[in-house]
Amino acid sequence: NAGVTQTPKFQVLKTGQSMTLQCAQDMNHEYMSWYRQDPGMGLRLIHYSVGAGITDQGEVPNGYNVSRSTTEDFPLRLLSAAPSQTSVYFCASTPGGENEQFFGPGTRLTVL
Amino acid sequence: DAKTTQPPSMDCAEGRAANLPCNHSTISGNEYVYWYRQIHSQGPQYIIHGLKNNETNEMASLIITEDRKSSTLILPHATLRDTAVYYCIAFYNNNDMRFGAGTRLTVKP
Repeated sequence: NAGVTQTPKFQVLKTGQSMTLQCAQDMNHEYMSWYRQDPGMGLRLIHYSVGAGITDQGEVPNGYNVSRSTTEDFPLRLLSAAPSQTSVYFCASTPGGENEQFFGPGTRLTVL
Repeated sequence: DAKTTQPPSMDCAEGRAANLPCNHSTISGNEYVYWYRQIHSQGPQYIIHGLKNNETNEMASLIITEDRKSSTLILPHATLRDTAVYYCIAFYNNNDMRFGAGTRLTVKP
């Protein structure tokens, strides 16, 4: 199993540009989440999904959209990038319940 | 979800046990205590979790006080590769894990 994969690893955007961060998992997990991590801070939940076709907002959802058309994929869309969205983005998946979350390697995004 | 408090940093000598404390005085009865760690800027890695009883796995031990208001993660023989930020999280909803700032553990030779 590849686990949780994220692309790209690095991305530089200009203010106002849009882009999609990709996340995929091959473990057939129902639950998937997106987090952002700013320097010196813990992770903050952006959006999450409890299954295909079902998504919900987390702690910091503004400026981001998600969709979950398949169990495997959970893309995160930045609608109009702002410098405040400069961060490292992590995707995670879990079977749910009390099971652990599996994290991807992260995408480092810089918005100029 | 219960909020947790951890010391911002700790040092440990290589080969010695590292004991990382966590306070979760507002934890509710159905909230688990989870520990993750993050090495450099990699994705967080699960270590261990528990509800009421002490737990042990190949990585660590988790000691939860009887009143469940605090817990301690124990790395029995710390190595340099255990240098990382350790996060203690108390929650019951796997959809909404709240990470604090964690404890930066530095293992020194």
